[in-house]
Amino acid sequence: DQQVKQNSPSLSVQEGRISILNCDYTNSMFDYFLWYKKYPAEGPTFLISISSIKDKNEDGRFTVFLNKSAKHLSLHIVPSQPGDSAVYFCAASDSGGSNYKLTFGKGTLLTVNP
Amino acid sequence: GAGVSQSPRYKVAKRGQDVALRCDPISGHVSLFWYQQALGQGPEFLTYFQNEAQLDKSGLPSDRFFAERPEGSVSTLKIQRTQQEDSAVYLCASSLGQGAYQPQHFGDGTRLSIL
Repeated sequence: DQQVKQNSPSLSVQEGRISILNCDYTNSMFDYFLWYKKYPAEGPTFLISISSIKDKNEDGRFTVFLNKSAKHLSLHIVPSQPGDSAVYFCAASDSGGSNYKLTFGKGTLLTVNP
Repeated sequence: GAGVSQSPRYKVAKRGQDVALRCDPISGHVSLFWYQQALGQGPEFLTYFQNEAQLDKSGLPSDRFFAERPEGSVSTLKIQRTQQEDSAVYLCASSLGQGAYQPQHFGDGTRLSIL
């Protein structure tokens, strides 16, 4: 049973446009969410995170939005660049329980076309 | 280097053989994690160390999997009597403290193929 779902296996956007990657979760105990980026043959690298006490967190071109009632979060990349082409993983944790344990989605492959 | 280092990068073994995968975390990082990533899936939690103490091994698939971190630094994941379903990328991650608020830094993984 997937507790973190990324329903789009892939996404293709033009350079300079906005990329929106979506993530849904089912476990209502999750209260901290992270996005990781992964290039082929490399490990995931941390990108941005958000706590459930917020509904938005911004870092440069990257913004994460959290809708707790819908159990949905999204990562916006504006403007998208070819170097952003990678697999993006959404991850969640429960700070009240095993707060070190991350539950990952299956990932979305983003391709940014020049 | 400054990052998490894993070796070997690739390992091919015959079914039934034992394998050992090594992880060198970032110096000074207290927490160390092992994940298994099957093809087309996200990483799945295997086990967690805080210094030398293995605080959570709930994700280990069977008693054929064993992990240790005897001196609170380097860790080894051992798989005994390997099976084909053990084929995956094994990722190690470390973080400065404990809790998800400390981002986990991942190594590039060991790709294990069981023939």
